[in-house]
Amino acid sequence: DAKTTQPPSMDCAEGRAANLPCNHSTISGNEYVYWYRQIHSQGPQYIIHGLKNNETNEMASLIITEDRKSSTLILPHATLRDTAVYYCIVKKAGGTSYGKLTFGQGTILTVHP
Amino acid sequence: NAGVTQTPKFRVLKTGQSMTLLCAQDMNHEYMYWYRQDPGMGLRLIHYSVGEGTTAKGEVPDGYNVSRLKKQNFLLGLESAAPSQTSVYFCASSYSYRTVLLDGYTFGSGTRLTVV
Repeated sequence: DAKTTQPPSMDCAEGRAANLPCNHSTISGNEYVYWYRQIHSQGPQYIIHGLKNNETNEMASLIITEDRKSSTLILPHATLRDTAVYYCIVKKAGGTSYGKLTFGQGTILTVHP
Repeated sequence: NAGVTQTPKFRVLKTGQSMTLLCAQDMNHEYMYWYRQDPGMGLRLIHYSVGEGTTAKGEVPDGYNVSRLKKQNFLLGLESAAPSQTSVYFCASSYSYRTVLLDGYTFGSGTRLTVV
């Protein structure tokens, strides 16, 4: 699975959009980009995933560059409850790895009042 | 629908003691996983199971054993606890390798284990 690079921390004002970047320059054609978050002391929570098209759901939007070497998770109107560690994970769609997700260090997002 | 339930939520063990962590899911998921999380680190996969009666090693399996006798339950055992096993343990489940791409994983709320 491709390695990902995320900034260790970011700040955002409440009500503003939070844009979390992720670099995955070695991503291959059948690898998806997943985003999870972990609020303090809780288990990780699935946010969104995508292959090459931009995706949007009730939680967030995922923008993947045309060359797929990087992506951005967008929380359109951040709230204090969005303060968490955000993990960007790249995972193959096939093979024998049985869907195992490899979590890196992630980005600590702090939303300020 | 409870999702993924882990018991116990907290536990303190003495070095050398044994214990079993229980993970139960009510979503009819095929795949289940045990992770550990240490301060400043991401989650690391200990063991996983792709179905009832099957288990496999993850990245950090040493010192742990697992069993999946029933589809809904995945047990993590520590035969002789060591201080290095002090951690937060998370269980997760997913339906299948294909649908995990659609649904993602569902995680439990964690078990905080301290070995003294």
